Amino acid sequence: GGIITQTPKFLIGQEGQKLTLKCQQNFNHDTMYWYRQDSGKGLRLIYYSITENDLQKGDLSEGYDASREKKSSFSLTVTSAQKNEMAVFLCASRGQGGEQYFGPGTRLTVL
Amino acid sequence: QQKVQQSPESLIVPEGAMTSLNCTFSDSASQYFAWYRQHSGKAPKALMSIFSNGEKEEGRFTIHLNKASLHFSLHIRDSQPSDSALYLCAVISGSFNKLTFGAGTRLAVCP
Repeated sequence: GGIITQTPKFLIGQEGQKLTLKCQQNFNHDTMYWYRQDSGKGLRLIYYSITENDLQKGDLSEGYDASREKKSSFSLTVTSAQKNEMAVFLCASRGQGGEQYFGPGTRLTVL
Repeated sequence: QQKVQQSPESLIVPEGAMTSLNCTFSDSASQYFAWYRQHSGKAPKALMSIFSNGEKEEGRFTIHLNKASLHFSLHIRDSQPSDSALYLCAVISGSFNKLTFGAGTRLAVCP
């Protein structure tokens, strides 16, 4: 079996700050994803990547950048944190059958 | 653009009851249909998936798909308090890389 790790687990930032979230997977999956989940709600796709150095925008890409420099890692940058923003950012990778495997999440709070 | 909607938004059932969760989608060319379960504070985890019309049963869980009605459902037999969670339906259409999630149904099973 494999695992997805996300760092940091908790991230507190200031309004206007640039913040970076990191994700690593050892499934050897090609496709990776970043989602945003607001409290108790569904998942909204921010970015995905089908291979190293590939980036595809999701429905919520404005205000974010992403980077996939190697197959096992996928980073997400909040380009300018918004005051009172609170959400969980979930990283995932996709298996052969379409199933997505999720990391434990990074919980963002902006003061 | 694919639209995925879930009903009800929340549900409370007694232990031992049959629970039914619903999901509708907008793209008739959709090809993969899945349910994910997310316990509070944890990552979403794939529960079941189906590719073609009909039913699929795994233990207490049954997924039913009717593509003509643009509808699929999850039925939980003999619901347990440990089934209390946020249930997310998800659909793939077009690129097999992009999964569209519904907003979720929050289920509480009371002992």
